[in-house]
This record gives sequence, C-alpha cells and structure tokens, in this order.
Amino acid sequence: QVQLVQSGAEVKKAGASVKVSCKASGYTFSRYDINWVRQAAGQGPEWMGWINPNSGNTDYAWKFQGRVTISRDSSINTVYMEMTSLRSEDTAVYYCVRGPYYYDSSDSWRRTEFDPWGQGTLVTVSS
Amino acid sequence: DIQMTQSPSSLSASVGDRVTITCRASQGIGNSLAWFQQKPGKTPKSLIYAASSLQSGVPSKFSGSGSGTDFTLTIDSLQPEDFATYFCLQYFNYPLTFGGGTKVEIK
Repeated sequence: QVQLVQSGAEVKKAGASVKVSCKASGYTFSRYDINWVRQAAGQGPEWMGWINPNSGNTDYAWKFQGRVTISRDSSINTVYMEMTSLRSEDTAVYYCVRGPYYYDSSDSWRRTEFDPWGQGTLVTVSS
Repeated sequence: DIQMTQSPSSLSASVGDRVTITCRASQGIGNSLAWFQQKPGKTPKSLIYAASSLQSGVPSKFSGSGSGTDFTLTIDSLQPEDFATYFCLQYFNYPLTFGGGTKVEIK
C-alpha cells in the first residue's frame, strides 16, 4: 500500500539544525510531489514547501525561505526536510504528504489527493 | 496567496445531529479543495478531495460540496467517533493554504 514513513523524534538546541526524512513506498516515487506541513501544539497545519521528486524542483512558503531545504534521494525513494537556525517556535510535528500533483509519463500533470500523510516527526527545540 | 476562511471555529452538537462546516476561498479554486479530520495526537485523516469525492474507506455520512469559492462539509448523524477537529485545504496552487479548523464538540 502507499505509505510514507518518517524518521523519529528529534530534540535540538536553539540555533541547531534538523533533518527529517520521509521514505515513500507503494507507488512510483517520481510521479507525485511531496509536501512538508508542520503543526504546532494546539494549532492548525502550516504548509512549508514542496518538491517534485523527478526534477528536484522545490518551492517554499515565504516564511521558510532561506531556512528550509527540501531534497530527495531517488535511489532510496526518500525526501528530506532540513531546517536551520532552529528556535523554540519551531517546536512542532512535521509531516510529509504526497500530492497534490501527479505527473504522467509525458510529464503532463493533474491534481490528485493530498494523501497519504507520514506519521509525523516531533521536533522539539529547547533554549 | 489564497486565503481560506473556515467557519465556525467551533461548534457543539449532539449525537445524531447533522453538522455543516464551510470554507470560503479568497479567489476561485475550481474544485481543488480537500477536507480532513484530526483527533488529538493523531495524523490528519483525509475525508474528501476534489471538493466532493469521498476518500476510499470513508463512510458516506461525510459529504462535500461546492466549487469556485464556497465549499461545505456535511456530517450526517454525528457519532461519538466524529467529535474531532476538521479543516479544509486548497490545492489549486502553491502555496497550499489551510482553513483555520473547526472543533466539533459534544453538547
């Protein structure tokens, strides 16, 4: 079945960096965008950015520009999200999510479900 | 960026009630809207995509409607397991944006 499995919880000091992985299985990795979404305790989800695993193209929410890098290793069907200069307000659960764009063999795209979600990775930043 | 305004932010309902939650987009998004359910400490669960398509395995008590700027999630015959937070997502274009969420509580 289609599945995204994320790396485990992280505890970091303010100012440090964190890199979270998201391993995809059950589908053709290159055909779907992968997004990163975070959710602080008691808050709604917040979109961070996306990657096209085929081309490696990325884009980020303006508030994360310069501090977040999304990358992929297609040889192991894995996407990464690295955040630098961590601060206490970055404490949140980070999710990878497949979609919402699908690309066929001719690279034409269509919208599809924003699903599944990874199980989430809690990143705790202490001062 | 497309803003998603979700209402109400919370509601109290009884078991067996029908509830309706709305999301309004700041500009037309066609049918590029999804609805999710989230329970405390859990990963969001996809309910509806393309405004009205039921995600596989989701009971038909959940339904979505709308297009353009105005969208609705309806839950029929509310059951104890339906008490949760619901939120919408527009995926018409990047940046993706979420509604503020609706917490459905037991009256």
